[in-house]
Amino acid sequence: AQTVTQSQPEMSVQEAETVTLSCTYDTSESNYYLFWYKQPPSRQMILVIRQEAYKQQNATENRFSVNFQKAAKSFSLKISDSQLGDTAMYFCAFMKHQLAAGNNRKLIWGLGTSLAVNP
Amino acid sequence: GAVVSQHPSRVICKSGTSVKIECRSLDFQATTMFWYRQFPKQSLMLMATSNEGSKATYEQGVEKDKFLINHASLTLSTLTVTSAHPEDSSFYICSARFLAGDATNEKLFFGSGTQLSVL
Repeated sequence: AQTVTQSQPEMSVQEAETVTLSCTYDTSESNYYLFWYKQPPSRQMILVIRQEAYKQQNATENRFSVNFQKAAKSFSLKISDSQLGDTAMYFCAFMKHQLAAGNNRKLIWGLGTSLAVNP
Repeated sequence: GAVVSQHPSRVICKSGTSVKIECRSLDFQATTMFWYRQFPKQSLMLMATSNEGSKATYEQGVEKDKFLINHASLTLSTLTVTSAHPEDSSFYICSARFLAGDATNEKLFFGSGTQLSVL
């Protein structure tokens, strides 16, 4: 069974600084997806970044980037130039690749990291 | 981009009544939708996977007769909480799978959630 671990329940960072959120996972699959989702106080779940395991290049989306270490099963999220609007819960999630598991795949979620960006 | 509409956003009901929550994919067809439950400051808990035209697959511990799921069309899935009780009070979120082209272009979009309060 797959598991996702986020070992930092809460973190804080000063505005304009850089912060890294940790995520590790466990799987025997070789092909899968990893995600970081953001849930602000509005509670709308927003996709931050998506990584396909077969791609060695780390995904980036503007100020958000990941450090994907497949052998170590690590998938950390780096937020650069933190902004007040980045304050949210951040969830790391895993999903098997469709070619491996068809349509009945589901997201496996970490417990989340609550990030506070301070002015 | 693809949008998932979830209604109502908030509902208050009396104990013993039933409540229906709708989840619509507005500009794409979703063969698979997911229903989650989320308690305050916790991660998402998958309740069931809903496939269009077939019975939903419930996670272990989720009562099928309590949480009725119908996915009658490619753009609509509904969750009905039957004979609601105060312990059913929670935040419910739906998610729809978007798949265009090959498997590498798969995304999951989330509704804005429904806060259910049972008095």
